[in-house]
Amino acid sequence: GAGVSQSPSNKVTEKGKDVELRCDPISGHTALYWYRQSLGQGLEFLIYFQGNSAPDKSGLPSDRFSAERTGGSVSTLTIQRTQQEDSAVYLCASSWTSGQTQYFGPGTRLLVL
Amino acid sequence: DAKTTQPNSMESNEEEPVHLPCNHSTISGTDYIHWYRQLPSQGPEYVIHGLTSNVNNRMASLAIAEDRKSSTLILHRATLRDAAVYYCILIKRGGADGLTFGKGTHLIIQP
Repeated sequence: GAGVSQSPSNKVTEKGKDVELRCDPISGHTALYWYRQSLGQGLEFLIYFQGNSAPDKSGLPSDRFSAERTGGSVSTLTIQRTQQEDSAVYLCASSWTSGQTQYFGPGTRLLVL
Repeated sequence: DAKTTQPNSMESNEEEPVHLPCNHSTISGTDYIHWYRQLPSQGPEYVIHGLTSNVNNRMASLAIAEDRKSSTLILHRATLRDAAVYYCILIKRGGADGLTFGKGTHLIIQP
């Protein structure tokens, strides 16, 4: 079946612009996670959604970052007023429910000039 | 969260078995042992997971020590496509935390 998909695959933007990154989880998965991975670094957890519950935003690095999940499925991560340090690969993962195996998408490579 | 310890890198020859170790001495009874791998320029890929018993799937085998304080991922016949960073992590069933990947083991496969 279809895995987690993300779009765009690559995004180049100018400092100060807003960007939106999209994630389509595996159908039926209720848990959705956003991570980012800077070059040569490990995964940094950003935010987690479980069904229609309020998201766990504890990993968001600043108030420029926000995410929403519509209808318990598709999620959008928004970065406002991008900075060069936001350049990274942004990964989305989903699982049947929390605490179970997470399946990752291919990521969105963001470059802020 | 219970942490895991893995060697920074390992090297093996193509078509030979590879045993990737992981120590998790502070594992709790509800922690599942998961292995992921990340190929260059790709997102992490689920490999295998287990709780107490050894597990086999089409990708690999997972051998879990009787006291669960360590485990070994076994690739029975490595190929060049298996060259990746392999991560051993613990996921608590029902837990809501995001995954924390350490540095993992960089597996190098020689032709």
